[in-house]
Amino acid sequence: DSGVTQTPKHLITATGQRVTLRCSPRSGDLSVYWYQQSLDQGLQFLIQYYNGEERAKGNILERFSAQQFPDLHSELNLSSLELGDSALYFCASSPPGQGTTDTQYFGPGTRLTVL
Amino acid sequence: GESVGLHLPTLSVQEGDNSIINCAYSNSASDYFIWYKQESGKGPQFIIDIRSNMDKRQGQRVTVLLNKTVKHLSLQIAATQPGDSAVYFCAERVWRDSSYKLIFGSGTRLLVRP
Repeated sequence: DSGVTQTPKHLITATGQRVTLRCSPRSGDLSVYWYQQSLDQGLQFLIQYYNGEERAKGNILERFSAQQFPDLHSELNLSSLELGDSALYFCASSPPGQGTTDTQYFGPGTRLTVL
Repeated sequence: GESVGLHLPTLSVQEGDNSIINCAYSNSASDYFIWYKQESGKGPQFIIDIRSNMDKRQGQRVTVLLNKTVKHLSLQIAATQPGDSAVYFCAERVWRDSSYKLIFGSGTRLLVRP
């Protein structure tokens, strides 16, 4: 158990809908990262937040957005869902002030199925 | 459980043998590397890391080797056990678009034969 929690574990929805995925980082971690993992593309970095502020952006679609709240939990919002958005979505967190390292600890993921 | 990467390269080893999983990374400026293990239905789990100023690092039953000349990373698992069966990802840290990012490899599936 990494200490990172994600809810829900599974989500089934229809095309065009909007969903929210939730992540709680490990105690003391300030950074939260979101990744998408699909069968044919591996782990793709979406976005990073650090202490409530957006720190880095990856391959995140405009239909997707995220935020990190004062209690450091984060939510990933996916809207106008398409069949191709079906994937595993992982959240990871890392401790502050790591300097030359960047170890990220992953949650168990949310399996999103868009029908 | 979930199947990740149905078309991943697969390494099949006998229980008790040593395993070597290889990874080629792309950016010569990458300064930090991590190996993750992902079991079916679970998130990636940190195994071991190495900084670019090192060429070898050992953990419990695992060793990571870094060859910066050819941009190659390997993970050696000693006395492989059935519980080692998983998909293994290497990740490199790169400076891109004004921030550090982890770029993951496509993964290798390790199957341990009893």
